[in-house]
Amino acid sequence: SQQGEEDPQALSIQEGENATMNCSYKTSINNLQWYRQNSGRGLVHLILIRSNEREKHSGRLRVTLDTSKKSSSLLITASRAADTASYFCATSPRGNNQGGKLIFGQGTELSVKP
Amino acid sequence: GAVVSQHPSWVICKSGTSVKIECRSLDFQATTMFWYRQFPKQSLMLMATSNEGSKATYEQGVEKDKFLINHASLTLSTLTVTSAHPEDSSFYICSASEGSRTNTEAFFGQGTRLTVV
Repeated sequence: SQQGEEDPQALSIQEGENATMNCSYKTSINNLQWYRQNSGRGLVHLILIRSNEREKHSGRLRVTLDTSKKSSSLLITASRAADTASYFCATSPRGNNQGGKLIFGQGTELSVKP
Repeated sequence: GAVVSQHPSWVICKSGTSVKIECRSLDFQATTMFWYRQFPKQSLMLMATSNEGSKATYEQGVEKDKFLINHASLTLSTLTVTSAHPEDSSFYICSASEGSRTNTEAFFGQGTRLTVV
């Protein structure tokens, strides 16, 4: 399977704490993206980081990418109860001539307790 | 961002019947659309890639005769689950992108929850 792995599979923290999720993948990539999914719902795009970038910020989100280790991390700072959701990383395989094709990681289920 | 609409958002059907799911790009032309399946508590698995005007490309292990994909226009792709069985019950979600450039963002529909009884 080309699917990547994420850890932890589940993470439970208190409101205000930071949450860090990690993602590893197997193939060379064009970019890596992070998505959020509330239970039983569609995906919300959070951030895209290109293969030549090492770090990217968006509000309370910070994403890092280490292509030598084929890994990425998503940091959510000052978490809120509303951040409770599943978070997925997804990679766009290099050499893929079909823009938008994504391979998803297994996801991390984040629970933020008020 | 661009809008992708998926319909229906949920459907319940009897075993043996066929179900059609539509995926529309509302404000852009989608040369490529992707269909994913997600079982409970699991990740999204790519089923197939749909290109306008040509046959879909299926991922390994996905039966093309069971999951019929049609991408007849630049704004519409359909997935038909034929002779559905309870094991086909899942969350199906589509995405669409404007072109084949690298770093092209894909926009996701809201998903369709299929329950086969």
